Amino acid sequence: EPEVTQTPSHQVTQMGQEVILRCVPISNHLYFYWYRQILGQKVEFLVSFYNNEISEKSEIFDDQFSVERPDGSNFTLKIRSTKLEDSAMYFCASSGIGQSYFGPGTRLTVL
Amino acid sequence: ELKVEQNPLFLSMQEGKNYTIYCNYSTTSDRLYWYRQDPGKSLESLFVLLSNGAVKQEGRLMASLDTKARLSTLHITAAVHDLSATYFCAVDIYTGTASKLTFGTGTRLQVTL
Repeated sequence: EPEVTQTPSHQVTQMGQEVILRCVPISNHLYFYWYRQILGQKVEFLVSFYNNEISEKSEIFDDQFSVERPDGSNFTLKIRSTKLEDSAMYFCASSGIGQSYFGPGTRLTVL
Repeated sequence: ELKVEQNPLFLSMQEGKNYTIYCNYSTTSDRLYWYRQDPGKSLESLFVLLSNGAVKQEGRLMASLDTKARLSTLHITAAVHDLSATYFCAVDIYTGTASKLTFGTGTRLQVTL
């Protein structure tokens, strides 16, 4: 069964450093998403991406964040200058016309 | 702004008992989902509810949707320890170019032996 994959599973970085989180969505899906979950809290929408551009973004998704689909299979989330409060689990998801399927997540720890 | 509220936030129940988790949301929705999350893991889709009066069942879990009341319930029948997890409802709003899930606060279920 096709699934969304994410790398790395865990990323540790120093405050102020740039990180890139990678996702490979399900191959015939057209819509891609990033969500995040701070430890012990609910899952929050960050951004949706369709037809090579951002469809919608939340208030969390400020200028420090960017997304890209560089090569037709990968979907990346970049955080330019990480802050302590960016520490969270980041989930990639993809969908066709139906439900979204979530990847296993990348745990980002900012020290 | 769409608000999705779940209650209770934490539920400790004994094996064999029944209980219901409630999910209230504030605006009209296209779909409602229930997800299960084990500690440190991803979100496992349990149910997709598409229309008013929809009821779906899988094993000891049954989900229903009342769009007029903007309420969904997840009913647990004869709980077993393996059901211990956090359960989230999520409301799907189609924005015209993509969907956007707004999650509830989650209900942490602990089933004791």
